[in-house]
Amino acid sequence: DAGVTQSPTHLIKTRGQQVTLRCSPKSGHDTVSWYQQALGQGPQFIFQYYEEEERQRGNFPDRFSGHQFPNYSSELNVNALLLGDSALYLCASSLAGDEAFFGQGTRLTVV
Amino acid sequence: SQQGEEDPQALSIQEGENATMNCSYKTSINNLQWYRQNSGRGLVHLILIRSNEREKHSGRLRVTLDTSKKSSSLLITASRAADTASYFCATDTYYGNNRLAFGKGNQVVVIP
Repeated sequence: DAGVTQSPTHLIKTRGQQVTLRCSPKSGHDTVSWYQQALGQGPQFIFQYYEEEERQRGNFPDRFSGHQFPNYSSELNVNALLLGDSALYLCASSLAGDEAFFGQGTRLTVV
Repeated sequence: SQQGEEDPQALSIQEGENATMNCSYKTSINNLQWYRQNSGRGLVHLILIRSNEREKHSGRLRVTLDTSKKSSSLLITASRAADTASYFCATDTYYGNNRLAFGKGNQVVVIP
């Protein structure tokens, strides 16, 4: 079992560009959540996908959007990148009320 | 907004000693989960304790939960240099949905 996998590991983008991050959940998990972690802070919940629908959303602007595919994998899209979007983006997968398992994250740097 | 708040923020101990971290939260929870993070990489799940549980053990880890005080503690016994990491508590306030609210984390340094 490969666990939760995220790609790419690192990414550098220019302000104003768009970015897509990808996540494959742990085998058997049907729920994918995305988090943003700024340096020195705890992760902040962005949104969660279940059955290909956005089920919950945190306090993030519409520039942040996502998608879940029939195989439960997910994408996080961020449009019109700002310098403040530089962070570690973490994907977590879970099943019902069990533990949430995280991937290694994608380090996004906006210059 | 941050739900959990860990105390203390930074801890430095000698190898072999015990490390204790506390976490407080504000709202009712379904469960509370503790995670470890090494050098800004992914989060490693340590233990989940549900709101109807008071104590849970996993290897050298002991977690307690006091819902009346809205607090939890993580004890690492016989610490090792490899335990050097940041430790986060996260609360799940929505039943079964794992929308986690994290604290700011505890930086633990274990000196060999």
